[in-house]
Amino acid sequence: GNSVTQMEGPVTLSEEAFLTINCTYTATGYPSLFWYVQYPGEGLQLLLKATKADDKGSNKGFEATYRKETTSFHLEKGSVQVSDSAVYFCALSFGRGSARQLTFGSGTQLTVLP
Amino acid sequence: DAGVTQSPTHLIKTRGQQVTLRCSPKSGHDTVSWYQQALGQGPQFIFQYYEEEERQRGNFPDRFSGHQFPNYSSELNVNALLLGDSALYLCASSRTPTRRTGELFFGEGSRLTVL
Repeated sequence: GNSVTQMEGPVTLSEEAFLTINCTYTATGYPSLFWYVQYPGEGLQLLLKATKADDKGSNKGFEATYRKETTSFHLEKGSVQVSDSAVYFCALSFGRGSARQLTFGSGTQLTVLP
Repeated sequence: DAGVTQSPTHLIKTRGQQVTLRCSPKSGHDTVSWYQQALGQGPQFIFQYYEEEERQRGNFPDRFSGHQFPNYSSELNVNALLLGDSALYLCASSRTPTRRTGELFFGEGSRLTVL
């Protein structure tokens, strides 16, 4: 079946440090890939997505590139802020639009210290 | 514009009881999906409702059932509760499933504790 493996946390960084959260997937075919973020006390929010190989998703300074050859979708940010502290989930899906079922990784807790 | 709202936010039940969780989708959305998020895990898809019918279902037993009302709101029912059903239950809404660019909007969840 489909699965997503994320870098285990928690991850603690100082403000302005570089962030990488690794994500690899196992799937039959070519899924769409997503990063969701869950801030404390809030619901999951879509951070970025990529729907085909070599696509780069980006938002709020975060980037991730869909790498078919390594089945990866690593999340990066050049300079993190305290406000980026949250839990980050990598996910995949098949299907069109909102008919998709999302398969999530286990999440990575990020804490950014001032 | 209200987003996805869920109730109750927290509840405690005992084994064998039944529970009903409620979800109101974001304005303009007609599709509701439910996910279960165990502590320290990612959300797992339970099922999706559109046009008052269950359209897709994940790997959950029949103890988990749902309903969608004409106003697009939805309920998740869990019968014969087990300790392992303790989790955060997330509702996500979206527009018509066939829209190519549909995005899921999640509520803050209902945290269920089974004792």
